[in-house]
Amino acid sequence: GAVVSQHPSWVICKSGTSVKIECRSLDFQATTMFWYRQFPKQSLMLMATSNEGSKATYEQGVEKDKFLINHASLTLSTLTVTSAHPEDSSFYICSAQRGVGTLHLGNIQYFGAGTRLSVL
Amino acid sequence: GNSVTQMEGPVTLSEEAFLTINCTYTATGYPSLFWYVQYPGEGLQLLLKATKADDKGSNKGFEATYRKETTSFHLEKGSVQVSDSAVYFCALSRRSSNTGKLIFGQGTTLQVKP
Repeated sequence: GAVVSQHPSWVICKSGTSVKIECRSLDFQATTMFWYRQFPKQSLMLMATSNEGSKATYEQGVEKDKFLINHASLTLSTLTVTSAHPEDSSFYICSAQRGVGTLHLGNIQYFGAGTRLSVL
Repeated sequence: GNSVTQMEGPVTLSEEAFLTINCTYTATGYPSLFWYVQYPGEGLQLLLKATKADDKGSNKGFEATYRKETTSFHLEKGSVQVSDSAVYFCALSRRSSNTGKLIFGQGTTLQVKP
């Protein structure tokens, strides 16, 4: 199956620093990628939809200046957590969609293994 | 609004036992429904899906039927194996959305003991 690589898998940083997380689709081109946040024992919460060549669409309540998303190519999207604080500590997951449009058309999302961010 | 509710875990079963993980949803219109599985240290993988009422999704011995009348999509397997131990997520995607935006349940951890 298709593979989505997410890097790093775990990062520890000091409060006030910025952290960049990469999401790559390794064997297909992804016009659309998604970024999720997962709290312990809770569901994945969609943060934003990343579209190649255009600005990301953020979900309500997600600070776009805090979580910068760049989707500069069809195989790479990055999430930068700016001026990270301990409350940003979480598990961040990306997915890349093969195909354009809605999932009921047969398109499939492939997920990365996630990045655990710990802010001290 | 749109939401997905799963039974709380962890679910602990012996090998070869019958598995049911309940999932109910709330959505406007007719969503597509999915089950994803996350094995330790790996990303979520699509397990099965159903795109309209009465459809049955199946894969690797797992099944789930899209029940519009009860707004449910329960996951079942007749005989679980230790290798099925993982976290299972139920999710929906609205047809009216122009992207593959997914709304997930909270996940159910399955532990299968030999």
